[in-house]
Amino acid sequence: ILNVEQSPQSLHVQEGDSTNFTCSFPSSNFYALHWYRWETAKSPEALFVMTLNGDEKKKGRISATLNTKEGYSYLYIKGSQPEDSATYLCAFNSGNQFYFGTGTSLTVIP
Amino acid sequence: EPEVTQTPSHQVTQMGQEVILRCVPISNHLYFYWYRQILGQKVEFLVSFYNNEISEKSEIFDDQFSVERPDGSNFTLKIRSTKLEDSAMYFCASSEDRVAHEQYFGPGTRLTVT
Repeated sequence: ILNVEQSPQSLHVQEGDSTNFTCSFPSSNFYALHWYRWETAKSPEALFVMTLNGDEKKKGRISATLNTKEGYSYLYIKGSQPEDSATYLCAFNSGNQFYFGTGTSLTVIP
Repeated sequence: EPEVTQTPSHQVTQMGQEVILRCVPISNHLYFYWYRQILGQKVEFLVSFYNNEISEKSEIFDDQFSVERPDGSNFTLKIRSTKLEDSAMYFCASSEDRVAHEQYFGPGTRLTVT
């Protein structure tokens, strides 16, 4: 079983602050890295799928980078808003399996 | 906007009973997945399904589990003889393709085995 780690486990930021968190994964057998946004009582919502080393993806105020050689991905949120409050989950795809992190719980304080 | 649906939202069953969890993936999607999350633990991959057969499966997906696409729309997960440790939230997901495509998750079925 491969280990996917996310840090920090939880984060509280003020509205307007920018923030980032990390997903660490094995650097071997890399196929793809998925980021999800998961609000309480809802289902995970896909944010990004990243496959190439050096990939950078952006969706509005949220962006992500990928380093497959060292095994990490960063998720950035610029100018956090209360509606960004959610758990951000990453999943490592080794080609034939998916391994999830425990998520980073973000609370944006108005 | 198309979405993945799952039924029932909550299923309570007795140990040893068979359960079938149902999912309707997004209609033009080709890959289907089942995941589960035991309370307080990570989301775990169970199985992926493509072209009417299992594409990949995890160690969790033993002989007690099976998946089926009985018609053109439903995708089911069957647990033959439920155990207490099968209690979890089960999520179905679908994607257009496998690698660089987003997976769309259903709302989940909470299975409680008593």
